[in-house]
Amino acid sequence: AQSVTQLGSHVSVSEGALVLLRCNYSSSVPPYLFWYVQYPNQGLQLLLKYTTGATLVKGINGFEAEFKKSETSFHLTKPSAHMSDAAEYFCAVTIANSGTYKYIFGTGTRLKVLA
Amino acid sequence: GAVVSQHPSWVICKSGTSVKIECRSLDFQATTMFWYRQFPKQSLMLMATSNEGSKATYEQGVEKDKFLINHASLTLSTLTVTSAHPEDSSFYICSASISPDSPLHFGNGTRLTVT
Repeated sequence: AQSVTQLGSHVSVSEGALVLLRCNYSSSVPPYLFWYVQYPNQGLQLLLKYTTGATLVKGINGFEAEFKKSETSFHLTKPSAHMSDAAEYFCAVTIANSGTYKYIFGTGTRLKVLA
Repeated sequence: GAVVSQHPSWVICKSGTSVKIECRSLDFQATTMFWYRQFPKQSLMLMATSNEGSKATYEQGVEKDKFLINHASLTLSTLTVTSAHPEDSSFYICSASISPDSPLHFGNGTRLTVT
């Protein structure tokens, strides 16, 4: 069965430091992978996605992620953290089966940015 | 583009009453809509998947008689929490998608408080 694992429920970085949020997936078929960000009391906003093609994908707000099939990973990075990046981040994978599909989310990583 | 509107953003109701939450895709036709529930500081739990004109598919453990989902058109899905109880208090988020390799577009969520 497909699933998503996010290591580290909380990550703290200093402003200007590298951000690395980890996501591993399990899937028996090529996955569609997504990263979302959620600010308090709001819905989720898409940061970036991987479906096919280039394995390094760039998203909004300076974030990027690399799909590594051999490692079954899709880690999210940003070279320099900004205070406004403090939020909850979710990795998600699409599960398709017999004409239907659904999105499964990881448990989330709360990013804290220290001044 | 790809805006999903969810109403109300918050609602307080008395125990035993029913509450309806609307989810509309404003500028695209959503073949599939997904309803999630989110507990404080936790991930999104998929409740059900609905396709226009057909019955919703509920996830295991979700009471279909309690959480009524109607997907009457390609732009509107509703979730009705029937005979609400305090334990139904939560953050409910709707989302819409066109295909498995396209991202989910989220509404801003509804904070339900049952007193």
